[in-house]
Amino acid sequence: DAGVIQSPRHEVTEMGQEVTLRCKPISGHDYLFWYRQTMMRGLELLIYFNNNVPIDDSGMPEDRFSAKMPNASFSTLKIQPSEPRDSAVYFCATTGGDNTEAFFGQGTRLTVV
Amino acid sequence: AQTVTQSQPEMSVQEAETVTLSCTYDTSESDYYLFWYKQPPSRQMILVIRQEAYKQQNATENRFSVNFQKAAKSFSLKISDSQLGDAAMYFCAYRSAWANFGNEKLTFGTGTRLTIIP
Repeated sequence: DAGVIQSPRHEVTEMGQEVTLRCKPISGHDYLFWYRQTMMRGLELLIYFNNNVPIDDSGMPEDRFSAKMPNASFSTLKIQPSEPRDSAVYFCATTGGDNTEAFFGQGTRLTVV
Repeated sequence: AQTVTQSQPEMSVQEAETVTLSCTYDTSESDYYLFWYKQPPSRQMILVIRQEAYKQQNATENRFSVNFQKAAKSFSLKISDSQLGDAAMYFCAYRSAWANFGNEKLTFGTGTRLTIIP
């Protein structure tokens, strides 16, 4: 398996624009997590899914953020409208089966100017 | 809610020497998992080592070992024979062992940046 695949790796956008981050989980993993990493706040859990169903979205900072998992092979995190304070690295991670640890994608570095 | 604390924002060690990174956590649960992840400049999160709370024996992976003190809620990482490639951010993480909704997430500490001095 190729691991967790995130796209794009880098995204630069202007304030007010919509941004969509994408994640393809490891096949067979039924948990998917979206984390945000910043210098100030470290790694924060934004939302996670189990079997494509959102379980806990209490970490989503504002209504500008939304996440979907339409099927077991794909998830998106959308920010609309984006703001400079959304600049961060966004990680997707998955786990499932006999695994206890989470497997991370390479992250998307988002810069909002 | 569980919390994970890493009190050392930065550490440095001479190449080939041994260094210990500290981690403490707070939980009311008796069964859980603890992890150390490494994040090199490439920003990829890499699992270094894992410990199950019900196991008394400390986990070891080659040059990496942990000192797990359950009563003290302490989980330190020891890196022996430090190498230049060990330079990275190291994160301690906690996960409940109970497979109930809300328990599957990982809670991370704030990280320790490790520098290796040649």
